[in-house]
Amino acid sequence: GEDVEQSLFLSVREGDSSVINCTYTDSSSTYLYWYKQEPGAGLQLLTYIFSNMDMKQDQRLTVLLNKKDKHLSLRIADTQTGDSAIYFCAESIAQWSGNNRLAFGKGNQVVVIP
Amino acid sequence: DTAVSQTPKYLVTQMGNDKSIKCEQNLGHDTMYWYKQDSKKFLKIMFSYNNKELIINETVPNRFSPKSPDKAHLNLHINSLELGDSAVYFCASSQAGLTPLHFGNGTRLTVT
Repeated sequence: GEDVEQSLFLSVREGDSSVINCTYTDSSSTYLYWYKQEPGAGLQLLTYIFSNMDMKQDQRLTVLLNKKDKHLSLRIADTQTGDSAIYFCAESIAQWSGNNRLAFGKGNQVVVIP
Repeated sequence: DTAVSQTPKYLVTQMGNDKSIKCEQNLGHDTMYWYKQDSKKFLKIMFSYNNKELIINETVPNRFSPKSPDKAHLNLHINSLELGDSAVYFCASSQAGLTPLHFGNGTRLTVT
């Protein structure tokens, strides 16, 4: 099935680290993604991880994947005011005929306090 | 600029009207999608096209009709608009295979 769960709200002070969590249900997912949505804007791809990896680091972003527990997290180091946004995790749930169908979590609102 | 672009950005209309949203991508991608984001920010796929061919149609009312004149364009036409159609509609594209989706900035549709 396709059911991606995320907690709803996180408040963090500028300069601290923030961690956003996500659980998913489709164990056959091959890729998992993190997208960022700023107010009034589209979804910006932040990073993604292949399911045979357990960690990926990309500058201030660290993605951890626990495939056994179907748990994905995104850590943002040195959080800045520009990181205030809604963060969505998404899993690839079906791919055929060249399509990459994504199921999204409900999003996690991150508010960075200066 | 290389991007996925949607027009219009805002669309306010009355119930019963017919409206269209246009999407174009110049990324050279083979696949395009429409997603709907409701008032609680939940995103759900509506349609997917691969090289102008409809691949995914997710239990969307047949008042919604996508059209892909070529692989760089995927337009969404909505007939007989209802209040519940109010949402933000996102167009996206991707290369073939398990590649990330690139999203447009969305069209906020408000039906009054």
